[in-house]
Amino acid sequence: AQRVTQPEKLLSVFKGAPVELKCNYSYSGSPELFWYVQYSRQRLQLLLRHISRESIKGFTADLNKGETSFHLKKPFAQEEDSAMYYCALRGYGGSQGNLIFGKGTKLSVKP
Amino acid sequence: DAGVIQSPRHEVTEMGQEVTLRCKPISGHNSLFWYRQTMMRGLELLIYFNNNVPIDDSGMPEDRFSAKMPNASFSTLKIQPSEPRDSAVYFCASRPGNTDTQYFGPGTRLTVL
Repeated sequence: AQRVTQPEKLLSVFKGAPVELKCNYSYSGSPELFWYVQYSRQRLQLLLRHISRESIKGFTADLNKGETSFHLKKPFAQEEDSAMYYCALRGYGGSQGNLIFGKGTKLSVKP
Repeated sequence: DAGVIQSPRHEVTEMGQEVTLRCKPISGHNSLFWYRQTMMRGLELLIYFNNNVPIDDSGMPEDRFSAKMPNASFSTLKIQPSEPRDSAVYFCASRPGNTDTQYFGPGTRLTVL
């Protein structure tokens, strides 16, 4: 079964503290994983994808196949990072497939 | 480019009424997705189209929900009759054929009284 689990509904940290948003997946085969972000009053948008192995706005995410995880990390959180974060898995069907989203984690960065 | 356009942005209706949500994807994108977002269930895929053809509608809750894509630049999601439990934010997203990135619309906040 294809599934994405984000165990935390809400994560609250202070500015400057490290942050880790957890994501676990269930998938048969080689997964393709993404993080999407929705800032207040803005559209949901792609933050990063594991294939690119990129760092966006200081965030990184490493695919750990052994632990079936794709946690999103940032060493020093900023107030502007406060948003709703969704982990997503591409479903079967290759480039024609849909995305399966987790339930999301609301990150709140306090001053 | 205005991006994905959804209308209306807000809809308040009474139980039993028909509701129609509209979406205009980004020009040139050949896939379109309808999602529902609630606090309890997060972001759920309802249905998606490739080249105007419905590919997977397994997420459509029940027969009260229907979606159409008569052409490449327009799609509708209809709920008839609406119920209070349908209250949610409904998102439309589109995707070009040469990438896996989905582009989301601003959403329609539906309240069924």
